[in-house]
Amino acid sequence: DIPMTQSPSSLSALVGDRVTITCRASQNIGYFLNWYRQKPGKAPELLIYFASNLQSGVPSRFSGSASGTDFTLTISNLQPEDFAIYYCQQSYTNHLTFGPGTVVDVK
Amino acid sequence: QVQLRESGPGLVKPSQTLSLTCTVSGDSISSGNYYWHWVRQHPGKGLEWIGHIYYSGSTYYSPSLKSRVIISVDTSKKQFSLRLTSVTAADTAVYYCARAPNFQPPHWYFDLWGRGTLVTVSS
Repeated sequence: DIPMTQSPSSLSALVGDRVTITCRASQNIGYFLNWYRQKPGKAPELLIYFASNLQSGVPSRFSGSASGTDFTLTISNLQPEDFAIYYCQQSYTNHLTFGPGTVVDVK
Repeated sequence: QVQLRESGPGLVKPSQTLSLTCTVSGDSISSGNYYWHWVRQHPGKGLEWIGHIYYSGSTYYSPSLKSRVIISVDTSKKQFSLRLTSVTAADTAVYYCARAPNFQPPHWYFDLWGRGTLVTVSS
């Protein structure tokens, strides 16, 4: 099992803001880290796979990066539909695990 | 447009078996291009991976649920199914089926999800 942590657990922002969310793995997971957005009452949607690859159809305001066991999701120019919960997920091992989530709400 | 849709009882009694089916529309489940997964989300909580199946029938389950989970596939119906035995209130959750590209196994990411279905365990 590879526990994942996310920070912050929640943040408040305005439309147009630049937002950064961090996910940390408890051990080396290479670049096998994926990001999802979950809007209220909906299924998660894939944003970024393998740390920095933008999923097809996802707006370019989303980007991902990695540094060691720390991974960052950046949302530039936050849009109304981006107020949601964001989850990271490691896929380094067969036993997939998710981070606890980061809530992005309206300031 | 490829879609996944979960179906099954929304209420299951404690100690009984939870059974859900995911139907794939718009694509073949047996193309070999994807692995098919189940993920659940307890009310107001985060996401928990349950397990996956390949069209060939090979499976892999979360160690924490392995003793109670069976995932099966019916390629002719374009469906895969989840059975979770001996359920308790702790199994109350929204259950999602999801698709993972067979790009770099076992490094799965979920590029398509069903809408999810709430299963409540209660007498």
